[in-house]
Amino acid sequence: SQTIHQWPATLVQPVGSPLSLECTVEGTSNPNLYWYRQAAGRGLQLLFYSVGIGQISSEVPQNLSASRPQDRQFILSSKKLLLSDSGFYLCAWTFGGIYGYTFGSGTRLTVV
Amino acid sequence: QQQVKQSPQSLIVQKGGISIINCAYENTAFDYFPWYQQFPGKGPALLIAIRPDVSEKKEGRFTISFNKSAKQFSLHIMDSQPGDSATYFCAASTMGDKLIFGTGTRLQVFP
Repeated sequence: SQTIHQWPATLVQPVGSPLSLECTVEGTSNPNLYWYRQAAGRGLQLLFYSVGIGQISSEVPQNLSASRPQDRQFILSSKKLLLSDSGFYLCAWTFGGIYGYTFGSGTRLTVV
Repeated sequence: QQQVKQSPQSLIVQKGGISIINCAYENTAFDYFPWYQQFPGKGPALLIAIRPDVSEKKEGRFTISFNKSAKQFSLHIMDSQPGDSATYFCAASTMGDKLIFGTGTRLQVFP
């Protein structure tokens, strides 16, 4: 069966520090991968998605970047965090969009 | 045209009552309509989904009603329970494309 892993679960980082969040999927190959951000009590904002290794599409220009160095690994990064980067970050995967998204358990990021 | 409009933003229901959440879309090319349930601090989980070739799909206490001509679909939760208290998101997509999510509905079911 397929599983998706996200870590860390929680993170407190100072303003101006770098960020690296990792997401990996097991049990499938060539998944579509997504990064979402959810502000407190708000909806799901799509940040990046990838349909293959090295292929990244950005939905919202901002202080973040994404990379897909391996087929089942998706990384969200920032060189210098801003207070506005705080939120709940979710990784998701789907196989060709046929069966809908499966979300990871999320990372709660607080920038202080 | 890519938006999915969801209402209400929040909903309070008595235990045993029916919870109804509505969504509307504009893009007639959408052919996949899932609902996601999210508990606090957790990622959303797929609850139920429907394709436009049927008008209704039922799974336990959860039913999706789909009106293709009106471009609307809704989630009905029968016999709502306190454990159903969560945020619900509707979504839509064309096959193989990214999902467009609604803005979410926070449901609170009181005993």
